[in-house]
Amino acid sequence: AQSVAQPEDQVNVAEGNPLTVKCTYSVSGNPYLFWYVQYPNRGLQFLLKYITGDNLVKGSYGFEAEFNKSQTSFHLKKPSALVSDSALYFCAVRDMGDGNQFYFGTGTSLTVIP
Amino acid sequence: KAGVTQTPRYLIKTRGQQVTLSCSPISGHRSVSWYQQTPGQGLQFLFEYFSETQRNKGNFPGRFSGRQFSNSRSEMNVSTLELGDSALYLCASSPSTASSSYEQYFGPGTRLTVT
Repeated sequence: AQSVAQPEDQVNVAEGNPLTVKCTYSVSGNPYLFWYVQYPNRGLQFLLKYITGDNLVKGSYGFEAEFNKSQTSFHLKKPSALVSDSALYFCAVRDMGDGNQFYFGTGTSLTVIP
Repeated sequence: KAGVTQTPRYLIKTRGQQVTLSCSPISGHRSVSWYQQTPGQGLQFLFEYFSETQRNKGNFPGRFSGRQFSNSRSEMNVSTLELGDSALYLCASSPSTASSSYEQYFGPGTRLTVT
């Protein structure tokens, strides 16, 4: 069955430290992978995507993500966290073998501690 | 371009009533998807419309329905509201083309509270 897993409900990191938000996926076809961020009382904002090519993709606000096909993972990373990065992060996959349907993870709440 | 707009932003209804939510996609986008977001369940896919046709459907009861108009605007209807329908309902539009990588753009959501 198609799915997206974000194993951590909550991630805390000190300001200035590197951060990682984990995501693994399971799809039947080739995946298109996305990360979105949600601030309180707002909709989801697109951060970055992986379609093909380099396994390391760069996105908005200094975020990047690494696609690992063998581990079916697409972890979100940032070298130096800011307090303003505190938000809810969603990993999503578009399963190109399943009617192009989108699947979202349950979200990871990131708190950056000053 | 203007972003995805959703109306109303907030809504309070009573159990048993019905509600209609509206979504206007980004100009030129032909695909509109609806999601229900709750603290315990995350984002759950309701349905996707493309060129006025329902293209995909999630696992929700028949009380949840939708439609899309020729201008790509979409409405979602929930009949016989239950307390468990209280949630943030998000609409997302997409060009739905390979060149766009099927990226979705989200509106701010409609916060529905059922009492």
